[in-house]
Parts: sequence; C-alpha cells; structure tokens
Amino acid sequence: NAGVTQTPKFRVLKTGQSMTLLCAQDMNHEYMYWYRQDPGMGLRLIHYSVGEGTTAKGEVPDGYNVSRLKKQNFLLGLESAAPSQTSVYFCASSSVKSTQYFGPGTRLTVL
Amino acid sequence: GESVGLHLPTLSVQEGDNSIINCAYSNSASDYFIWYKQESGKGPQFIIDIRSNMDKRQGQRVTVLLNKTVKHLSLQIAATQPGDSAVYFCAEDNNAGNMLTFGGGTRLMVKP
Repeated sequence: NAGVTQTPKFRVLKTGQSMTLLCAQDMNHEYMYWYRQDPGMGLRLIHYSVGEGTTAKGEVPDGYNVSRLKKQNFLLGLESAAPSQTSVYFCASSSVKSTQYFGPGTRLTVL
Repeated sequence: GESVGLHLPTLSVQEGDNSIINCAYSNSASDYFIWYKQESGKGPQFIIDIRSNMDKRQGQRVTVLLNKTVKHLSLQIAATQPGDSAVYFCAEDNNAGNMLTFGGGTRLMVKP
C-alpha cells in the first residue's frame, strides 16, 4: 500500500513550456486534490475532484487544468508555465468526510 | 473570508518539555479539525483529528483540544523530542463539501 504517490519529484521548466504532474492513490478514495505551497504560506487548493470524471476549481485555479479519467489518478497540467507557478505541488486524497492524505510533493521551478 | 489561523509562527522548546501549538478558527459551521505535521522536504502528515462533538482527543504523546465557545484548537505534544521538529498545520472542514481550509503553519523547534 503506497498511499499517495506523485511524479515527478522535481522539474525545471522554461517559461511557456507545458507539463503534466501525475498523482496516484491506491486507497480507493473518492476525493482527490491538488494544492500548491509557497514559502512561508500554507496550502492553497488549485483544483479538486469528487469522483472519477469530475473536476472542480479551488482557490487558485488559473493557469492549471486537471483530469480524473481513472479513480486512482489525478493529473495536473500547466499549458504555458509562468515563473509565478514556481512552487511545491502536493496531491492529496480522501474518502468522504475524512482526513486528506498527502503525497510527497513535486518541486517545480519555472525559469 | 473566514479562515483558520495560528497565534505563534515559531515555537522553540527544550527537549523533554511539553509543547502547545494553538490555532484559531472563525467558521462556526466547521465540524471537523485536523492537525498535520510537515517535515522539511516532505508532504503534510496526519497527526490527529477531532470532530466537533468532542472537546478532547488523545493519541500517542499528542492531545488535541477543541473549544467551540471561543473557536480555538490546540495541539499538545508531551515530552517533545528532536524528531518533533517540523511545521504544524491545523485544518478545518467547514461542512460545505469535503474541503479543508489550512492555517499558515507554526514551526516547532526542539532544542537538545
């Protein structure tokens, strides 16, 4: 039981490049989330999903897209990366009305 | 908007002492609260949770206290160890979907 895994762990992009971050969970959780964490700040919700095939916007969705084609996977896409998107990205999953479990994070730098 | 906040951004304690980390919340509709620990370079790790029908819950060396009257949450760590050094976040579920609102975090530093 690996819990929540994220790939890649680190990535450096140039402005305007695109990439996809992959999150996978093996706990059969319905809910999945993408957060970003910037220095000295808490976690801010980007997008979330309440089930396979559904997605919704969080607090800071601009510049990101997501897809939940399979229950166990939640993808976060950056179509045209900007330096303001330099951050650490965390994925989380949960069952209904319970604790969110987090992945180890992806550290993204946009030059 | 309503949010979760913390009183102390940094807490320094001596090894072996007890630590208390505080959190204030403003949404009276919140009915579920969680404490997370985040070590450097890692994701937040669940420590303990409490639902609004309780005012105290104990785990191994940790206790969470909930005071709904003043909208206050605290995490108590007994016999603090160097491995407890981390940033601690409180989070609340405001009962409007399975969403959590996180506080800004408190850094706990344990002196040997």
